[in-house]
Amino acid sequence: GIQVEQSPPDLILQEGANSTLRCNFSDSVNNLQWFHQNPWGQLINLFYIPSGTKQNGRLSATTVATERYSLLYISSSQTTDSGVYFCAVVYGGSQGNLIFGKGTKLSVKP
Amino acid sequence: DTEVTQTPKHLVMGMTNKKSLKCEQHMGHRAMYWYKQKAKKPPELMFVYSYEKLSINESVPSRFSPECPNSSLLNLHLHALQPEDSALYLCASSQGVAGQPQHFGDGTRLSIL
Repeated sequence: GIQVEQSPPDLILQEGANSTLRCNFSDSVNNLQWFHQNPWGQLINLFYIPSGTKQNGRLSATTVATERYSLLYISSSQTTDSGVYFCAVVYGGSQGNLIFGKGTKLSVKP
Repeated sequence: DTEVTQTPKHLVMGMTNKKSLKCEQHMGHRAMYWYKQKAKKPPELMFVYSYEKLSINESVPSRFSPECPNSSLLNLHLHALQPEDSALYLCASSQGVAGQPQHFGDGTRLSIL
């Protein structure tokens, strides 16, 4: 099956800093989503981005499908950005099941 | 994503109990999913329903029984669960299974005594 690898596994930032999270995947994908899971367990959709670049406020994402990676950029981080960031993919030929990476745990300190 | 509603938010049950988890969406989506998430792990797929028919069962034990009574509702019936089944159970929906984005509910946190 497809492999989804996220880096770094843990990240500690001071408030106001910028960061880049990476997601590598081992096969072609039909769907790639970035999620933020907050400390209460809510899984929040950040981006649906199987290819290209999108921006939403302080967050942006880029997926280069031909090179099988995606990047999530967080600028001017805030304490509310803390939590776990997951990359998840649906690979070609599957029946829609999202395969999640292990996540990046982000802690933003005031 | 608050467009997918899961009830209850928390559930504590004994190993001999029977309970059900419920999931509802009104976005007109035709695919619905159950995922299980253990502490400090990513979510893992349990079941996929496409057009109200079960299309994927990821070798889930029979003590978990899914049901899709109509295109808006998805249930997960629980019976004779084990303590290791304690987890966060997440429901999701999408327009179809061909790579459209999935929208998740807030989950049911289940504890088995």
